[in-house]
Amino acid sequence: AQKITQTQPGMFVQEKEAVTLDCTYDTSDQSYGLFWYKQPSSGEMIFLIYQGSYDEQNATEGRYSLNFQKARKSANLVISASQLGDSAMYFCAMREGLRGSARQLTFGSGTQLTVLP
Amino acid sequence: DTEVTQTPKHLVMGMTNKKSLKCEQHMGHRAMYWYKQKAKKPPELMFVYSYEKLSINESVPSRFSPECPNSSLLNLHLHALQPEDSALYLCASSHPGGVASGTPRTDTQYFGPGTRLTVL
Repeated sequence: AQKITQTQPGMFVQEKEAVTLDCTYDTSDQSYGLFWYKQPSSGEMIFLIYQGSYDEQNATEGRYSLNFQKARKSANLVISASQLGDSAMYFCAMREGLRGSARQLTFGSGTQLTVLP
Repeated sequence: DTEVTQTPKHLVMGMTNKKSLKCEQHMGHRAMYWYKQKAKKPPELMFVYSYEKLSINESVPSRFSPECPNSSLLNLHLHALQPEDSALYLCASSHPGGVASGTPRTDTQYFGPGTRLTVL
């Protein structure tokens, strides 16, 4: 079974508008973390935002916010005021439990966002 | 700007060659990771080093050989690769992890820019 599901393979948004990228997850752990990464065509994975399972408030980082709905197991990324430079692949990822002394990330399949001028 | 660097940026090699990928981080992290990523797919974990010891090997073929000489450096030695090994190889680093007082630590993985490997 998929642990991280991103149902939108591709999304388009007009410049300066807001966009929501969907992510649902599946875990039986009480302690877990959720991450969003951006990957432009250059290849580098850029960390955007983190939400811990015990965090009561939604995470925000500049134009990025995470709409965390724990009961629904969703962690959607909201990008406000889209810019042309936001065009990239976006990955949702989860870290759960412990494995050895370093934690493993599980990635979703990604959403390709294109910002239109 | 990323504090995880990778060299080389691009690498083309034949199936009989031996080459190495290098990763360096200056973030004081004690966990380092190698991922393989094919086009339009998410990264796949290959190896994890924690405190310079190999802690996870995701059943990677022996033609890939990782090495962690110190807490800042991570190498991936390549030998007798196949064309299907052509991919983007990403290095990442993080704090090693652990749950403290029931609250998960933010063990964010920070990635380098990657090495684009082509095997002919």
